[in-house]
Amino acid sequence: AQKITQTQPGMFVQEKEAVTLDCTYDTSDQSYGLFWYKQPSSGEMIFLIYQGSYDEQNATEGRYSLNFQKARKSANLVISASQLGDSAMYFCAMREGNAGGTSYGKLTFGQGTILTVHP
Amino acid sequence: GAVVSQHPSRVICKSGTSVKIECRSLDFQATTMFWYRQFPKQSLMLMATSNEGSKATYEQGVEKDKFLINHASLTLSTLTVTSAHPEDSSFYICSATAPGPYEGYTFGSGTRLTVV
Repeated sequence: AQKITQTQPGMFVQEKEAVTLDCTYDTSDQSYGLFWYKQPSSGEMIFLIYQGSYDEQNATEGRYSLNFQKARKSANLVISASQLGDSAMYFCAMREGNAGGTSYGKLTFGQGTILTVHP
Repeated sequence: GAVVSQHPSRVICKSGTSVKIECRSLDFQATTMFWYRQFPKQSLMLMATSNEGSKATYEQGVEKDKFLINHASLTLSTLTVTSAHPEDSSFYICSATAPGPYEGYTFGSGTRLTVV
């Protein structure tokens, strides 16, 4: 079963508008972490934002915010005031497992969403 | 912040030859390094997890003898693609657990391998 699902292969947004990239996850662990990364055409992975499963408040980092709905197992990324430089592939990822466990530390990635920002 | 240097960034090799990719943690000790493979416009697929001083743990379906991983020191992990074939052409990227408040990850810049 897919652990991380990103259902939007591609998204388009007008410059200066906000956009939401969807991510749902599946885990039976109580402790887990959710990450969003941006991957431009150069291939580097740029960390955007992190949400821990026990964090009660939604994470925010500048123009990025994470809409964390634990009961629905969703962790959508919201980018406000889109810029042309935001055009890239975006990945949602999850780390599950407890510290000290054999599977701890592995990141599982979603399929990715290609975001295109139009001027 | 924590930096992982990955080399080479791009390599073209002939079919049947071997290619080594290096990942070095520059300002921290990377006890665990993860190696991923990515095809164009697809997700990152974990190939193996390497721990310093021990054998790598490979994901199901990854050929251990083809993708040799060595993690001989706390700052260096290598992936060697042995007897490369055109189907091994891909983007390979490493990441290490980086020090920080929530044990995030630092990624190398990736290696684009083309086998001709």
